[in-house]
Amino acid sequence: EAGVTQFPSHSVIEKGQTVTLRCDPISGHDNLYWYRRVMGKEIKFLLHFVKESKQDESGMPNNRFLAERTGGTYSTLKVQPAELEDSGVYFCASSQESMGTQYFGPGTRLLVL
Amino acid sequence: SQQGEEDPQALSIQEGENATMNCSYKTSINNLQWYRQNSGRGLVHLILIRSNEREKHSGRLRVTLDTSKKSSSLLITASRAADTASYFCATERDSNYQLIWGAGTKLIIKP
Repeated sequence: EAGVTQFPSHSVIEKGQTVTLRCDPISGHDNLYWYRRVMGKEIKFLLHFVKESKQDESGMPNNRFLAERTGGTYSTLKVQPAELEDSGVYFCASSQESMGTQYFGPGTRLLVL
Repeated sequence: SQQGEEDPQALSIQEGENATMNCSYKTSINNLQWYRQNSGRGLVHLILIRSNEREKHSGRLRVTLDTSKKSSSLLITASRAADTASYFCATERDSNYQLIWGAGTKLIIKP
C-alpha cells in the first residue's frame, strides 16, 4: 500500500512568488493534516481536514497560506506571496480516524530567497 | 516508505511504571527526534538527539542513541495517565531538513 506522498520534494522560489504544495494521503484516509517545520525548529501543526472540510485551521500562520482539499482526496497548500520566513519543510499526514495514528509523508522542503 | 521502525507497536502499562520504546533506522543520520501525538491534535516535539550524542534527558524523558546499532530508545519514567499517546521517532539525514518517520508506538497508561 502506498504511503503518504508529497510533491514536490523541494522547491526554491523568490520572495513574492507563489508556490503550491501537494499532498496525497493514504487511500481511504479521511483525515489529512499539514505541518510545518521552520529550519531547525520543531514541527508545528497547521491544519486538519476531515474529508473536504477544514476541521481545525488554528495553526495557519496568516492569510498568505491557503489549504484546499477539493473532493476529499489530495490536498494543496498554497503560499502567496511567499516570504523569507516561510522557508522550511512542510509535512503532510493522514489518518483513518480523527484520533487515529497519523502517517507522515517525507515533506516538501521550501526555500524562499 | 518509512525508514524508522518503532517497537513495540503498542505498549500498555500501569501508572507509575516506566515505559521504554525503541526506534531503529537504516541509514546514517544527522539527528533523531522523538515526538508525541496526543489524540487527534498533532505532534509535540519531545527531544532531539544529534548523531554525536549518546544520551539526553528532559524531565521524565531519557533518550539514548546508538549509531553503531542504528537505534534509539525513549524511556519515560514514573508514567502518568497524561502520557497516553502515540510516540514517533523521526530521523534527519544530512542537512536537507526532511524527516523520515517511524510508524509509532501507541502507549497506554492504565490508572
